[in-house]
Amino acid sequence: DTGVSQDPRHKITKRGQNVTFRCDPISEHNRLYWYRQTLGQGPEFLTYFQNEAQLEKSRLLSDRFSAERPKGSFSTLEIQRTEQGDSAMYLCASSERQGRSYEQYFGPGTRLTVT
Amino acid sequence: GQQLNQSPQSMFIQEGEDVSMNCTSSSIFNTWLWYKQDPGEGPVLLIALYKAGELTSNGRLTAQFGITRKDSFLNISASIPSDVGIYFCAGQLGSKLTFGKGITLSVRP
Repeated sequence: DTGVSQDPRHKITKRGQNVTFRCDPISEHNRLYWYRQTLGQGPEFLTYFQNEAQLEKSRLLSDRFSAERPKGSFSTLEIQRTEQGDSAMYLCASSERQGRSYEQYFGPGTRLTVT
Repeated sequence: GQQLNQSPQSMFIQEGEDVSMNCTSSSIFNTWLWYKQDPGEGPVLLIALYKAGELTSNGRLTAQFGITRKDSFLNISASIPSDVGIYFCAGQLGSKLTFGKGITLSVRP
């Protein structure tokens, strides 16, 4: 079973440091999404790629955040100059381009703690 | 922005009981989805609903897409201990999903 994978699963960093997370989607899925989830809340949309094109970004994605999907396969999410408010679970999801493109399948997430 | 309302925040049931949870919105969605999340893991898709009025089952789970397209419910029958977790509804409009805050389900043996 090749589900969505994310690396690392946990990251502890000091305020001001940069961090980068990786997501590998389900292999036949063209669409890839990043969400952020804080304690007691549902996931909140950050950004979305179709192949290598970043088609939508939430206003939650400040200038310190950047996401890439250079070859239309895996994606990275970088946070520069981390702040304590960035502490959250970062979730990646993927879906098909056609048919049931609204069915998003999530990875296990990367838990970020900024100290 | 769009908000999905799930209440209560927590539910406690006895093993073997049925439980129903609903989700309401001030906005219309094209698709409703229900996910379950275990601690420290990502949400797992349970059921997707595509048309207003649709009723769909997946094992012991049954979900319905409200006629107004502004609500959905999920029913779990004959609960078992592994049903414990957080249940999220999500509405789809365009490319993104909007999630509720989730309902934490506890099942007493």
